This record gives sequence, structure tokens and C-alpha cells, in this order.
Amino acid sequence: KNEVEQSPQNLTAQEGEFITINCSYSVGISALHWLQQHPGGGIVSLFMLSSGKKKHGRLIATINIQEKHSSLHITASHPRDSAVYICAVRTGTASKLTFGTGTRLQVTL
Amino acid sequence: DVKVTQSSRYLVKRTGEKVFLECVQDMDHENMFWYRQDPGLGLRLIYFSYDVKMKEKGDIPEGYSVSREKKERFSLILESASTNQTSMYLCASRGGAGDGAFFGQGTRLTVV
Repeated sequence: KNEVEQSPQNLTAQEGEFITINCSYSVGISALHWLQQHPGGGIVSLFMLSSGKKKHGRLIATINIQEKHSSLHITASHPRDSAVYICAVRTGTASKLTFGTGTRLQVTL
Repeated sequence: DVKVTQSSRYLVKRTGEKVFLECVQDMDHENMFWYRQDPGLGLRLIYFSYDVKMKEKGDIPEGYSVSREKKERFSLILESASTNQTSMYLCASRGGAGDGAFFGQGTRLTVV
């Protein structure tokens, strides 16, 4: 079993829909990252959080430390949100990140 | 903006060749990382470096080595490329423990 599990693996939504991507992890963490990878490969960091909730534009990330679970929400989704979304966790002060396998999101018109 | 730049977007190399993948960051970050990304496996850490001339093995170091002679540059070396090293390679850098990670655009390496 992977230390970081994401669901769903693939997600198709229509423009305007509210989207939720889930991440569960099995170890104690110091921080959790949500990353976005567009076709072509480059990865952009969306959020880093260790508690509570963060919001940036139409993106919201939440984390529940007790339940070892985080969610990434996209409100009013748009085709330009189509990408792979990756959850990654860091334990303690270690430099290493452990990654989920990603959620491939396709938003259609 | 932090910039992490990888030297090539696409590379095609022959089996047995020595391959260098270069990564440069412009934010004076201490920590730099090399990952490979394969379908269904996610990103896996090959090597990382927390200071000049310092390096540590990640989860899959076999067949790879690294070099960090200057703080801004972290090189990944495939001593003798093999077809199972065909993959997307991603470099990342990070400052302190509380900082986020910044990724390069990736190098898609094909070994034929």
C-alpha cells in the first residue's frame, strides 16, 4: 500500500462543475503539498499546508491532520484546469517528499 | 519568480551512452532534487542534495549519480544509459524546511 493515496485516478467534469480531489496518507507529516502538472510536464506548486484551509482564486485546499486526509477543491471549473493534480507529503524536517500517483482531470465545454 | 531550469525538454540517447541532465535554480536554494516520473508510479526520488558537494541517495539511485559543484546547479548523470531509464526526469529545489518546492519543466529522455 502506498503511503499516499489519491482518488479518483481520473476525473472528467463539465465546465462550471465543482470538483473535489482527495488525498489520504498513512504517516505523520509536517506538510502536505498540492501540485499541478500540465501536459508537457512542468509542475507548479499550488499549496503547501500543515493545518486548516487555504484558498487561492478558485482553488481551495483543506487538511484534517487527525484523519490524515486532504482535499483539493476547484470551484467553477474551466477547461484550462485540465491537468494532473498531485498530492505530496513531507515527514518531519526531512527534505524528501512522498508523492501520490496523481489525479488526471479533464474539464470539457 | 523562482526559476528552475532544466537544460533539455527532450533527449534521445543510445543504450550505453553517458547522459548528463542539468538543472539550474536562481533562488539560492540549499535543497535540490532529481525525480523520475513513470505512468502509474508517480514521482520517485533518485537523489537529492542539501548543500554544495553534499548528496544523498533517494529511493531509486541505482544506475544514476549526481554532481553539485555549485549551489545553483545540480546534475544527474546516467553512466551507461539503458532502455529502462526512458522516463520523464524532473528537477526541483527548495529553500528551508517551511518553504514550498519549485519544479523544472521536465526532461523527457528516451533511450533507444
